[in-house]
Amino acid sequence: NSKVIQTPRYLVKGQGQKAKMRCIPEKGHPVVFWYQQNKNNEFKFLINFQNQEVLQQIDMTEKRFSAECPSNSPCSLEIQSSEAGDSALYLCASSHPGTANTGQLYFGEGSKLTVL
Amino acid sequence: QQKVQQSPESLSVPEGGMASLNCTSSDRNFQYFWWYRQHSGEGPKALMSIFSDGDKKEGRFTAHLNKASLHVSLHIRDSQPSDSALYFCAASEHDYAQGLTFGLGTRVSVFP
Repeated sequence: NSKVIQTPRYLVKGQGQKAKMRCIPEKGHPVVFWYQQNKNNEFKFLINFQNQEVLQQIDMTEKRFSAECPSNSPCSLEIQSSEAGDSALYLCASSHPGTANTGQLYFGEGSKLTVL
Repeated sequence: QQKVQQSPESLSVPEGGMASLNCTSSDRNFQYFWWYRQHSGEGPKALMSIFSDGDKKEGRFTAHLNKASLHVSLHIRDSQPSDSALYFCAASEHDYAQGLTFGLGTRVSVFP
């Protein structure tokens, strides 16, 4: 079973509504990633954090998406105004220093967003 | 253009048979290669990694890397129904902040 916990597993929103997803990374993993996996199985990197600080994010994330990883609280990804094209599986992943440089990521089960 | 390209898109294998998956990268900055497996309704899970030229075997799974051609392959011996899943090739640079770059996956179906 995945040790990266994502909630909710499913969410359905209307266009223009906010959508918020949460992630508890694996214990001891300071690096957290958010990816979007679309219906064609394409992975798109959104943003990553190390110890609450943003390391890198794409333009899309800077505009309608917001994310944070506060200490002692779950990480979150929020879409301010959902669009139909945002319908996808949102995957949270974490890694630790021992494997971070090689790229190994530990994924949660994902939050499947459907925008009607 | 995808930086990590996988073939075939889908593959049907008889139970007990061999499945062979291919992956090619167009970015020479990639130094580490991974195979991830994703069952329906689940998140991807790391299957195995390969960082050096040659073969790496883990149980029924064998990965092969040719750094000169940036070609990676995965062979699944004695395929089982539980091997039916999406298989992703992923690559990373020597910079953990970049994360992984994934291919579009190969769907493997193992039939009895």
